Amino acid sequence: KAGVTQTPRYLIKTRGQQVTLSCSPISGHRSVSWYQQTPGQGLQFLFEYFSETQRNKGNFPGRFSGRQFSNSRSEMNVSTLELGDSALYLCASSFDSGSGYTFGSGTRLTVV
Amino acid sequence: QQQVKQSPQSLIVQKGGISIINCAYENTAFDYFPWYQQFPGKGPALLIAIRPDVSEKKEGRFTISFNKSAKQFSLHIMDSQPGDSATYFCAASKSSQGSRLTFGEGTQLTVNP
Repeated sequence: KAGVTQTPRYLIKTRGQQVTLSCSPISGHRSVSWYQQTPGQGLQFLFEYFSETQRNKGNFPGRFSGRQFSNSRSEMNVSTLELGDSALYLCASSFDSGSGYTFGSGTRLTVV
Repeated sequence: QQQVKQSPQSLIVQKGGISIINCAYENTAFDYFPWYQQFPGKGPALLIAIRPDVSEKKEGRFTISFNKSAKQFSLHIMDSQPGDSATYFCAASKSSQGSRLTFGEGTQLTVNP
């Protein structure tokens, strides 16, 4: 059974640009969540999508957005990148909200 | 309050020893408490999880102890092995908020051979 797949694995962007990250959940999983991991702030919840609807949103500015497609694949977008957006972005999927979540290996975003 | 406090920040244990990591939470609405293990370059992997209706859960060498009145829970790794060297995160969530996990700060565990 394939795990959670995140693409790309590494990304370098310039301040002010925008970026789109992709997440393919485990087959059959309907919930996809996104987290930001940094050395200073640790793991922080960005948002959760379930059946194409955003169910939860963390305390991040509106520059951070996401969406989920009918096949449960999800994308997150960060516009007007700032240096502080440099982080490991993790996607997690589960069959249903509240059950065990499986994380992908993440996308390492570096903003220069 | 949504915080989860984790300690220690780092831990060094000899092979065969017991590793103990502690977490404390404030929000009594939390009803799901997982532990994750993360290796460099990888995402966190679910180790073991507990709900507040039980005080202890054991899976292999890993045990969660849960104290609802003290709002604390801990991870015990018995017979620690060098392969257990990783960063461990406790987390908490409440069913009404779906998969929104609040993570502790993490503990860097090193098991010396």
